[in-house]
Amino acid sequence: GAGVSQTPSNKVTEKGKYVELRCDPISGHTALYWYRQSLGQGPEFLIYFQGTGAADDSGLPNDRFFAVRPEGSVSTLKIQRTERGDSAVYLCASSLTGGASTGELFFGEGSRLTVL
Amino acid sequence: AQKITQTQPGMFVQEKEAVTLDCTYDTSDPSYGLFWYKQPSSGEMIFLIYQGSYDQQNATEGRYSLNFQKARKSANLVISASQLGDSAMYFCAMRLYNFNKFYFGSGTKLNVKP
Repeated sequence: GAGVSQTPSNKVTEKGKYVELRCDPISGHTALYWYRQSLGQGPEFLIYFQGTGAADDSGLPNDRFFAVRPEGSVSTLKIQRTERGDSAVYLCASSLTGGASTGELFFGEGSRLTVL
Repeated sequence: AQKITQTQPGMFVQEKEAVTLDCTYDTSDPSYGLFWYKQPSSGEMIFLIYQGSYDQQNATEGRYSLNFQKARKSANLVISASQLGDSAMYFCAMRLYNFNKFYFGSGTKLNVKP
């Protein structure tokens, strides 16, 4: 597709359940980022992939959060044993790196997670 | 440590007037880029303008310009001739190229009054 695609756009789940959020980046973008955004706040960094590997996962809040990008394209953010505090919009972004690229992030429309 | 600071949680501006949104940043890395994004109520993040740390000239993109003062570590966004559609949240961000990390500020909510 032309832009970053995220599914689902909305997810309502119960406390303690497992959730997967998917991100399909712009074709050819090697860098992929996950951010979490709470209402009225700026995006909070979670994890960054360069290719297939997690280059920086320092933003993952705890071991309930995990992300993969097995083939260097689509990424899945996985949240185990969800808690009400996990409710937020999860944003995925991709970018080019290196060369003459300024490296701006291209964002998807986000996945809104609500934990009841 | 806070990398990006936006001190204006909310701003009002009259339609057709200019407005400046403040942003200061903190890094000792010499290679970085500064970005501004707009986030309307619909939620998508829209890239507006970019300034590289080595750029000599201030960036401009249509009605947007970036007032880059490197010594003061500030990268203020200037929107000229405000329009009602400019009402949104605005985020300043910094990319450290040596680490490929992006840092975002807490945002400024701009309201344009008719």
